[in-house]
Amino acid sequence: DTGVSQDPRHKITKRGQNVTFRCDPISEHNRLYWYRQTLGQGPEFLTYFQNEAQLEKSRLLSDRFSAERPKGSFSTLEIQRTEQGDSAMYLCASTPTGDQPQHFGDGTRLSIL
Amino acid sequence: AQSVTQPDIHITVSEGASLELRCNYSYGATPYLFWYVQSPGQGLQLLLKYFSGDTLVQGIKGFEAEFKRSQSSFNLRKPSVHWSDAAEYFCAVGGSLSGSARQLTFGSGTQLTVLP
Repeated sequence: DTGVSQDPRHKITKRGQNVTFRCDPISEHNRLYWYRQTLGQGPEFLTYFQNEAQLEKSRLLSDRFSAERPKGSFSTLEIQRTEQGDSAMYLCASTPTGDQPQHFGDGTRLSIL
Repeated sequence: AQSVTQPDIHITVSEGASLELRCNYSYGATPYLFWYVQSPGQGLQLLLKYFSGDTLVQGIKGFEAEFKRSQSSFNLRKPSVHWSDAAEYFCAVGGSLSGSARQLTFGSGTQLTVLP
């Protein structure tokens, strides 16, 4: 069990640029979740995958956001035309079944200049 | 809709003192409840969980929590705090998603400072 891995750990970009984050879940965890955490707040649910299928999306996930999990293993989260309000920590979590606790990665911190 | 309230934004305790962090939840059915801890710049580590059964649950690092349905609470306790416990603590409730998954709704966190 090597844990949930996220890359990069930090991303600094200019407003209007596109960014992509990667999440590698724990091996054989078929459920994968993305959350966003802003300063001083708890994480907020963004989206959920079961294997390669994206089954749930929060209304927080505007049309500038897209997530994929093409082979049911790693996942990517892309933000297009970044805005100041996108500055946050983006957390990925995985679990083998729906009723098991979610294991979180260390997150990707996005800063928009 | 599910929600979690952590009334204490910041708590300061002396090392060796006891600790109780409060959590109140709102959820229509039997909740799945969790406490996570987060150190600066890190992800969240699970301390303990409640799914069903015994309402007093034990977790890692000497933490425990008690589920009280009548009060909609799930308070976290530790009898003797260590300096390494300084961190931010999040209570979460797991609501249902399709595919029998769970969407976690978190409180806004309690920042714990430990004095020497």
